[in-house]
Amino acid sequence: GAGVSQSPRYKVTKRGQDVALRCDPISGHVSLYWYRQALGQGPEFLTYFNYEAQQDKSGLPNDRFSAERPEGSISTLTIQRTEQRDSAMYRCASRALAGTQFFGPGTRLTVL
Amino acid sequence: AQSVTQLDSHVSVSEGTPVLLRCNYSSSYSPSLFWYVQHPNKGLQLLLKYTSAATLVKGINGFEAEFKKSETSFHLTKPSAHMSDAAEYFCVVSGMYSGGGADGLTFGKGTHLIIQP
Repeated sequence: GAGVSQSPRYKVTKRGQDVALRCDPISGHVSLYWYRQALGQGPEFLTYFNYEAQQDKSGLPNDRFSAERPEGSISTLTIQRTEQRDSAMYRCASRALAGTQFFGPGTRLTVL
Repeated sequence: AQSVTQLDSHVSVSEGTPVLLRCNYSSSYSPSLFWYVQHPNKGLQLLLKYTSAATLVKGINGFEAEFKKSETSFHLTKPSAHMSDAAEYFCVVSGMYSGGGADGLTFGKGTHLIIQP
């Protein structure tokens, strides 16, 4: 597509539910990144992929968070047993082999 | 520890006057530096980037930034502010998170630019 897309744009869920956030990168981009942005803060790195391989997940806050990119294109960030502190904007970015990161519009997650 | 510090959480200027958004970084090597802008309800957009070429970097919409290694600074400037410049601006460094070996970005906390008519 023309840019990075994310869905849903807004997600409201109850504490304890699982959520899956989707990122569709720019076609042909090798690398895909996930970030989390709390209100009033800058985005913080979570994890990233080159093709389908997860290269670094050091930014994932705990084992309730996981991500996959099985075919090297679309990626899903899953949060299990959501907690109120998980409420944030979740941003995805993609990058060509040697270029800058292009960001999607983000998914606003609210955990009640 | 490596870090990015944006010195002002809010900056207010009048339309037509110069803009200065300040950023300092801490790094043990020459980093790649970026400025991103975030307009309300929109995604992050790259304004400009520094990758060890010319120290004065020109970006979109009339913005520019100068890399000063001696001062560990990468301040963003614009000669004349426009109402459409009102947004959140992030100073960003590449490759500084604990995982290492990749281009994950480390963002500053952001500066909210307010343009007075």
